[in-house]
Amino acid sequence: QKEVEQNSGPLSVPEGAIASLNCTYSDRGSQSFFWYRQYSGKSPELIMFIYSNGDKEDGRFTAQLNKASQYVSLLIRDSQPSDSATYLCAVKGYGQNFVFGPGTRLSVLP
Amino acid sequence: DTEVTQTPKHLVMGMTNKKSLKCEQHMGHRAMYWYKQKAKKPPELMFVYSYEKLSINESVPSRFSPECPNSSLLNLHLHALQPEDSALYLCASSNRTLGELFFGEGSRLTVL
Repeated sequence: QKEVEQNSGPLSVPEGAIASLNCTYSDRGSQSFFWYRQYSGKSPELIMFIYSNGDKEDGRFTAQLNKASQYVSLLIRDSQPSDSATYLCAVKGYGQNFVFGPGTRLSVLP
Repeated sequence: DTEVTQTPKHLVMGMTNKKSLKCEQHMGHRAMYWYKQKAKKPPELMFVYSYEKLSINESVPSRFSPECPNSSLLNLHLHALQPEDSALYLCASSNRTLGELFFGEGSRLTVL
């Protein structure tokens, strides 16, 4: 059974701080890794994807991947109240199936 | 703006009704997905179509019937649903090479 785990929330950070979201996966054959943001009542929105070990930065977001440790993380710098949402980690191996983690709810406090 | 369009956005149906959810994408993606999402839970895969053929069926009850008329369209036919089927139904598509999954806005289904 392929599993994706995320740090349990809710995670609360003050405005302007760095939010750190973590994800581990069980399938060593996983190839692609994604972070989705989902606001309450809305559909998931892709914010980052990463395929290779190391860091990938896009604006205030940095995704980090360590395939040896089967670990992927998302850092949000200068967190804003508008970042308050549930963040879903998704992992894809060969084929078409995406496995989602349970999500971490982030609350950025003004 | 999402490039995956779902209709209707909201649907209320009785347990004896027959209805359909529709999804359309024009990104040229050849994989299309139906997910079901309950409150405070991650999306749960139902079906995957690849090149218009059903490639994954996650043991979904037969009261849910998918259809892929062409590479841009995906339908989910609903019949004799139960109240516990009330959920957000998400359509998504993927470019097989790059792998990102793009979601539509979802269809909020309520079964009375």
